[in-house]
Amino acid sequence: DGGITQSPKYLFRKEGQNVTLSCEQNLNHDAMYWYRQDPGQGLRLIYYSQIVNDFQKGDIAEGYSVSREKKESFPLTVTSAQKNPTAFYLCASNPLGPNTGELFFGEGSRLTVL
Amino acid sequence: KQEVTQIPAALSVPEGENLVLNCSFTDSAIYNLQWFRQDPGKGLTSLLLIQSSQREQTSGRLNASLDKSSGRSTLYIAASQPGDSATYLCAVVDSNYQLIWGAGTKLIIKP
Repeated sequence: DGGITQSPKYLFRKEGQNVTLSCEQNLNHDAMYWYRQDPGQGLRLIYYSQIVNDFQKGDIAEGYSVSREKKESFPLTVTSAQKNPTAFYLCASNPLGPNTGELFFGEGSRLTVL
Repeated sequence: KQEVTQIPAALSVPEGENLVLNCSFTDSAIYNLQWFRQDPGKGLTSLLLIQSSQREQTSGRLNASLDKSSGRSTLYIAASQPGDSATYLCAVVDSNYQLIWGAGTKLIIKP
């Protein structure tokens, strides 16, 4: 079945460590997104990519990095520079064009910094 | 700058009632509007997608309308059930292909 797969579902990290969250989609979508969600708050955009080898900063990109070497993959690295990384991270994708299509989400990755 | 607002922030109704959730946006230049559902600790599930040229979409007990000129969308849920309890979010794709999100409405359906 087509969809978006995020891994790991739960991740614990010590302060000062970098961690990478995986996001893979087999929907042949052009655009991919990373969002952060904190309790009781809406979604905030970290990074997005509309084409391979290109990505743009979102509203809260500081302390995060991404790559888009393949259309299917958009990994997010939470670096030690991110001061408050404990959050729920959501990856999404959709096709681009004048009639941009439905946005699909993964199940999310919950990161906890110990 | 496009802004999306959802009212109310929270809603609690008895089972069986019909209800309406609201989503408003400030700039009518959108490509589409999408309604999502999020259960606690889970990802988002797409409910309905309305393209800018459409007026409404229906799926089962859900009906979403779009009025671009007034910058409004409503999600109508008929015959609500406890399983409908979740947070409902709307998002628009603006003229720059940017997704702009509302903060969501937390819905509780009481048995």
